[in-house]
Amino acid sequence: AQRVTQPEKLLSVFKGAPVELKCNYSYSGSPELFWYVQYSRQRLQLLLRHISRESIKGFTADLNKGETSFHLKKPFAQEEDSAMYYCALRAWSGSRLTFGEGTQLTVNP
Amino acid sequence: ETGVTQSPTHLIKTRGQQVTLRCSSQSGHNTVSWYQQALGQGPQFIFQYYREEENGRGNFPPRFSGLQFPNYSSELNVNALELDDSALYLCASSLEGQGAKNIQYFGAGTRLSVL
Repeated sequence: AQRVTQPEKLLSVFKGAPVELKCNYSYSGSPELFWYVQYSRQRLQLLLRHISRESIKGFTADLNKGETSFHLKKPFAQEEDSAMYYCALRAWSGSRLTFGEGTQLTVNP
Repeated sequence: ETGVTQSPTHLIKTRGQQVTLRCSSQSGHNTVSWYQQALGQGPQFIFQYYREEENGRGNFPPRFSGLQFPNYSSELNVNALELDDSALYLCASSLEGQGAKNIQYFGAGTRLSVL
């Protein structure tokens, strides 16, 4: 069985502060991990995936297989980063996405 | 390139009724996945269609059924609606296969309320 846990439902930081959104997963094989973001009144959209190893909008995430984690980080949060963030796992290419419950990030001015 | 579109955007039904939700996939995509998102929860996988065949199913009863058409658009049907079926239903399309990006792109969703 596969499971994704996002321990924080709500996270509030000030503009310019570092931010880390936590994601832990359980899966016996080698999964593919994603972060999706939903801005207010917009649809769910892909932020980044671990195999791309990119930085998108200043966000990075590293897959730590030893700790089964895929935390999302940004060194300097901006107000426009305020959104709902979902971590998701896919067991193999083409299969279902398993989502965490999401973390609502608020960046205060 | 058009994105994923879902219709209707909102729907109100009563318990016991049947509902059909529709999804037009992004141009060039061959796979559609459906998810249910209850309030305050992450999306939960219902099923996936690849080239008109069901290609995986989540933990949902048989009264949840679907179709994919030759143009890769899709329908989600729910029979004998229950109050707990009230949720946002999301459709995601992707291009799956060797060498493809295999990224799911989501529609805006259909908000279903069962009274």
